[in-house]
Amino acid sequence: EAGVAQSPRYKIIEKRQSVAFWCNPISGHATLYWYQQILGQGPKLLIQFQNNGVVDDSQLPKDRFSAERLKGVDSTLKIQPAKLEDSAVYLCASSLYSGDTDTQYFGPGTRLTVL
Amino acid sequence: QKEVEQDPGPLSVPEGAIVSLNCTYSNSAFQYFMWYRQYSRKGPELLMYTYSSGNKEDGRFTAQVDKSSKYISLFIRDSQPSDSATYLCAMSTGNQFYFGTGTSLTVIP
Repeated sequence: EAGVAQSPRYKIIEKRQSVAFWCNPISGHATLYWYQQILGQGPKLLIQFQNNGVVDDSQLPKDRFSAERLKGVDSTLKIQPAKLEDSAVYLCASSLYSGDTDTQYFGPGTRLTVL
Repeated sequence: QKEVEQDPGPLSVPEGAIVSLNCTYSNSAFQYFMWYRQYSRKGPELLMYTYSSGNKEDGRFTAQVDKSSKYISLFIRDSQPSDSATYLCAMSTGNQFYFGTGTSLTVIP
């Protein structure tokens, strides 16, 4: 079974630029998550999709972050404009269903550095 | 106060030692408790999952939950160098999901 794919693996940008990350979940997984993991901290949930609908985006900074999941499969997360404090690893995860009894499988992450 | 508190370490032990990793929490609504392992430059992977107080064992790993004290633990027996990683506890109310900050563990051969 192929895992969660993410690209790019690394990205360096200057502040005020925009950036986009891509995630391809495990085939058949209905739920997709985006997390932000700042160095030395645990992952923080940014947004959760169930198929192509948003379940939870309460911690997404909506003034600069946006995410979409077209056709309930791939997803993109965008930051525009980026700030220094956005430097982090952005993790995508997927699970078969929704709910906390369901295992989340994580991708390798995209490491973003904002200069 | 953070929802989940976890000592970041780092923790360094000799091979074969028993390792104890712990998290405390403040929200009594947490119902589901998990431990993830994260190797350097990799995403977290689920190690253990439980939803009740008591112990759950899986090979060399034992997860312990004490809801009355709001305290969870992960024990690793006969630790191996391959166990060197960051261990994250995670908890959920059923609607909201929180990770701890992670404990960095190094097992020295």
